[in-house]
Amino acid sequence: EAGVTQFPSHSVIEKGQTVTLRCDPISGHDNLYWYRRVMGKEIKFLLHFVKESKQDESGMPNNRFLAERTGGTYSTLKVQPAELEDSGVYFCASSLGLWNTEAFFGQGTRLTVV
Amino acid sequence: AQTVTQSQPEMSVQEAETVTLSCTYDTSESNYYLFWYKQPPSRQMILVIRQEAYKQQNATENRFSVNFQKAAKSFSLKISDSQLGDTAMYFCAFMKHPQEYGNKLVFGAGTILRVKS
Repeated sequence: EAGVTQFPSHSVIEKGQTVTLRCDPISGHDNLYWYRRVMGKEIKFLLHFVKESKQDESGMPNNRFLAERTGGTYSTLKVQPAELEDSGVYFCASSLGLWNTEAFFGQGTRLTVV
Repeated sequence: AQTVTQSQPEMSVQEAETVTLSCTYDTSESNYYLFWYKQPPSRQMILVIRQEAYKQQNATENRFSVNFQKAAKSFSLKISDSQLGDTAMYFCAFMKHPQEYGNKLVFGAGTILRVKS
């Protein structure tokens, strides 16, 4: 069974540009999470989808970040326009459903804004 | 709000020896889950071990065990018979008891563990 897949694995963009990160969760997993680790600090929660609906987006830093989950399958996280402080590693995770506590993580996308 | 603190940024251990990674947390919740996740270099983060707060018995997974002290809000990870493959970043994480469809994780800053031959 395929795991959680994220791409690109690395992205270097200039300040002001737009970047879209993609996450393919494990098939059948209703829950999809986005997290971010900035400059060696804690991994911080960004948002949580249940199927195609946003369950919790309390961690989204500002309106330059837009997440979608089309048809409850893959998800995209778009940053527009990117700022220097957006640099970091973006992780996606998925979990099965009700009462499930184990999250499966992708390898992450390392975003560098220059 | 919950917080998780890992006070050891880096640690090293000789192969076959035992090492303990520290984690403390702060919460007003009475029922929750604690986790240790491992991220090897350039690889995906994987779950190492999980502890339910209402269970007094410490969780164990092969060479990995935890020392869960609920009153002290401490959750340390012990790795016995360390192997080169244990070299990784280790994250301690907290989750409130899932309500409807799972819940978000609150992570510590991580501890880099290097196992030396």
